Amino acid sequence: GAVVSQHPSRVICKSGTSVKIECRSLDFQATTMFWYRQFPKQSLMLMATSNEGSKATYEQGVEKDKFLINHASLTLSTLTVTSAHPEDSSFYICSARVSEGAEAFFGQGTRLTVV
Amino acid sequence: ELKVEQNPLFLSMQEGKNYTIYCNYSTTSDRLYWYRQDPGKSLESLFVLLSNGAVKQEGRLMASLDTKARLSTLHITAAVHDLSATYFCAVTRMDSSYKLIFGSGTRLLVRP
Repeated sequence: GAVVSQHPSRVICKSGTSVKIECRSLDFQATTMFWYRQFPKQSLMLMATSNEGSKATYEQGVEKDKFLINHASLTLSTLTVTSAHPEDSSFYICSARVSEGAEAFFGQGTRLTVV
Repeated sequence: ELKVEQNPLFLSMQEGKNYTIYCNYSTTSDRLYWYRQDPGKSLESLFVLLSNGAVKQEGRLMASLDTKARLSTLHITAAVHDLSATYFCAVTRMDSSYKLIFGSGTRLLVRP
């Protein structure tokens, strides 16, 4: 199957700093990438959808100024958590797909801890 | 609005037993996915079900789809400890976004 690589797998940052998470499709071009957040023992919550070359579409209740998403190329999307606080600590997962209706493939996830 | 409900949320079963996890969704969709998630890990794709009556099997797991009832099942046969994980179903939203909407997950514990 297609490979989606997420980096870093774990990150610890101090309150008030920003952290960037990368999501790369390694062997295909991803027109759309999705960013999810997962709290312990809960399901995945879709945060935003990013299409290459255009602004991300955020789900209701997700602060776009806090979670900056950039999809600059067909193989890379980034999520930047700005001015992180302990409540932003979570597991962040990206997925990528070739086209509408195609199966989306998931990255390995990033465990963010804000101290 | 598309909603996806899974039950049970938690399942503790003995090795060798059979059990079924249910996934109901509220509006029409053209595909349903089952995923496995191990603690601290991302999702592993198990099955993609595309049409009414679809049945797929891999080892001790079998998934089926009834689009008329908006129901999918994941059947576990003769469970083994290695199947312990959280299982999610997810349904594609039938609009231009084709977003995946996830169920709440079923945490499966297989006891020796």
